[in-house]
Amino acid sequence: GQQLNQSPQSMFIQEGEDVSMNCTSSSIFNTWLWYKQDPGEGPVLLIALYKAGELTSNGRLTAQFGITRKDSFLNISASIPSDVGIYFCAGQRGSTLGRLYFGRGTQLTVWP
Amino acid sequence: DAGVTQSPTHLIKTRGQHVTLRCSPISGHKSVSWYQQVLGQGPQFIFQYYEKEERGRGNFPDRFSARQFPNYSSELNVNALLLGDSALYLCASSSIFTGENNEKLFFGSGTQLSVL
Repeated sequence: GQQLNQSPQSMFIQEGEDVSMNCTSSSIFNTWLWYKQDPGEGPVLLIALYKAGELTSNGRLTAQFGITRKDSFLNISASIPSDVGIYFCAGQRGSTLGRLYFGRGTQLTVWP
Repeated sequence: DAGVTQSPTHLIKTRGQHVTLRCSPISGHKSVSWYQQVLGQGPQFIFQYYEKEERGRGNFPDRFSARQFPNYSSELNVNALLLGDSALYLCASSSIFTGENNEKLFFGSGTQLSVL
């Protein structure tokens, strides 16, 4: 299936630091999404990006839809302990909303 | 309002058995998608149903099947279980089939299936 290359695979940071993770694909996507998943839960949508070049913020989170439509990044500023979890990028091709292609995730650990 | 609900939350089966997983979408949502998430990986698309019809299928064997009922709830069936079928099975719903008007996909908490 479609592969999204997400990096880094894991991050260990101190509370208050900024975090950056990215996702690349060999194919174009019409929509990029960023999800967070806590243990025993399903993914929760953080940010959705619908246009190439779009830069969107949600509180301390900022994400961008790459100009080539083949990449996206997520930044988290001033990290706090509750930011701990696995972050996934996901791409949507065409107009089929229910079919998303996910990256392998970035495991974020925040030390107090 | 209730979100996407899945049952059971956990399930243990042995090789060769079959399993049925259930999903109730958010009220008013007509599209349901199923995903398999193996430990350490991102979710992988299995099926999408909209208005009781299959609208998409991922790269999974015929042992996997699903259906959607008139009330838009859905079942995922897996026959002849293999050890490799052990995973978190996620259900997601949206109100429409296409991604127009910035529609969003909402996930349930999943069913953790262990095959021994």
